[in-house]
Amino acid sequence: QVQLQESGPGLVKPSETLSLTCTVSGGSISTYYWSWIRQPPGKGLEWIGYIYYSGTNNYNPSLKSRVTISVDTSKNQFSLRLSSVTAADTAVYYCARGATRYFYMDVWGKGTTVTVSS
Amino acid sequence: SYVLTQPPSVSVAPGQTARITCGGNNIGSKTVHWYQQKPGQAPVLVVYADSDRPSGIPERFSGSNSGNTATLAISRVEAGDEADYYCQVWDDSSDHPGVVFGGGTKLTVL
Repeated sequence: QVQLQESGPGLVKPSETLSLTCTVSGGSISTYYWSWIRQPPGKGLEWIGYIYYSGTNNYNPSLKSRVTISVDTSKNQFSLRLSSVTAADTAVYYCARGATRYFYMDVWGKGTTVTVSS
Repeated sequence: SYVLTQPPSVSVAPGQTARITCGGNNIGSKTVHWYQQKPGQAPVLVVYADSDRPSGIPERFSGSNSGNTATLAISRVEAGDEADYYCQVWDDSSDHPGVVFGGGTKLTVL
């Protein structure tokens, strides 16, 4: 059974870069799309972007200028970098597996809270 | 960009049927997915491809999609169904295709 686990700093200073990694266990990262989604406190879900195992990616236009998602198939991991963060980037960040057809997300990590504060 | 509109809240008595809508321009031409999120937990996929259920999801959860509205129906509602529900589509209608979520609906079991 595939499981996802987010890891990374829980506190990031304003203007710095947020970096998170999602480790995929119980299955291969090959095939499927791999997404990052975030949820600000008390708010709804926001898709950040995805990467395909081959390296093809797609980002939310509202975040595209600050986002980079990369994949390391040798480690069965994919990562998120979000630059120039502000308090508005404070959220729970989830990684998730996306189906290749219809793009629904059928496996989610438990999420990790990132706070942007000095 | 494509917008999905959900009612902020829906209330239902135990044993009744809850219906949560997701509105979007010609959403019937898209494929809709639904997630359940309980407090402090990650979302869980409950319906995909309009009306299919992942393994382990009770038959009480069903979905439909036509015209400008998709609907998640939960029959014989239980206290444990109280959660936030989100609809989601893949939007390829613009220059920037991507994942779109609805704003979420809080289901309260009276």
